[in-house]
Amino acid sequence: EPEVTQTPSHQVTQMGQEVILRCVPISNHLYFYWYRQILGQKVEFLVSFYNNEISEKSEIFDDQFSVERPDGSNFTLKIRSTKLEDSAMYFCASSEWGGGTDTQYFGPGTRLTVL
Amino acid sequence: GQNIDQPTEMTATEGAIVQINCTYQTSGFNGLFWYQQHAGEAPTFLSYNVLDGLEEKGRFSSFLSRSKGYSYLLLKELQMKDSASYLCAVRDGNAGNMLTFGGGTRLMVKP
Repeated sequence: EPEVTQTPSHQVTQMGQEVILRCVPISNHLYFYWYRQILGQKVEFLVSFYNNEISEKSEIFDDQFSVERPDGSNFTLKIRSTKLEDSAMYFCASSEWGGGTDTQYFGPGTRLTVL
Repeated sequence: GQNIDQPTEMTATEGAIVQINCTYQTSGFNGLFWYQQHAGEAPTFLSYNVLDGLEEKGRFSSFLSRSKGYSYLLLKELQMKDSASYLCAVRDGNAGNMLTFGGGTRLMVKP
């Protein structure tokens, strides 16, 4: 069964550094998402991406964050100048067509630790 | 905004049935999802409801009442491996495809 994959599984970085989290969505899916989950808290939406542009973004997704689909398979989340509070699990998700019964399938996540 | 409430924790016995409730408030309801999440892992899709009624999928069933803003997930014949968090998530048609998640219900299945 096709799966969303993410790399790396763990990332440790120093405060102020930039990180890029990578995702390979399911191949025939057209909508891509990033969510995050701070330890012990709820899953929170960051951004959705369709047709090479951002569809929706939350208040969390400020100028520190950016997303890109650099080629036909990868979908990346860049966090500039990381802060301690960016430490969380970041999940990529993808869905086929974005409406109706469309289901979002989540990748295994990247655990980001900012020191 | 949206408000999604579910109990924080529940405990049940292996072989039993458990019902996990979720209430929500949203302006443009466009579907409710249940996900299972084991500790440190990704949410895994369990079920989807957009119309009132019961959707059954093996040991798992999910019910929706749109007029009451209420859903439940029913797990039958509980197994130890069902110990996990169960996340209720709502899609608001006025907010595109984003999902808003509840805090999750941590279910402990005991022998």
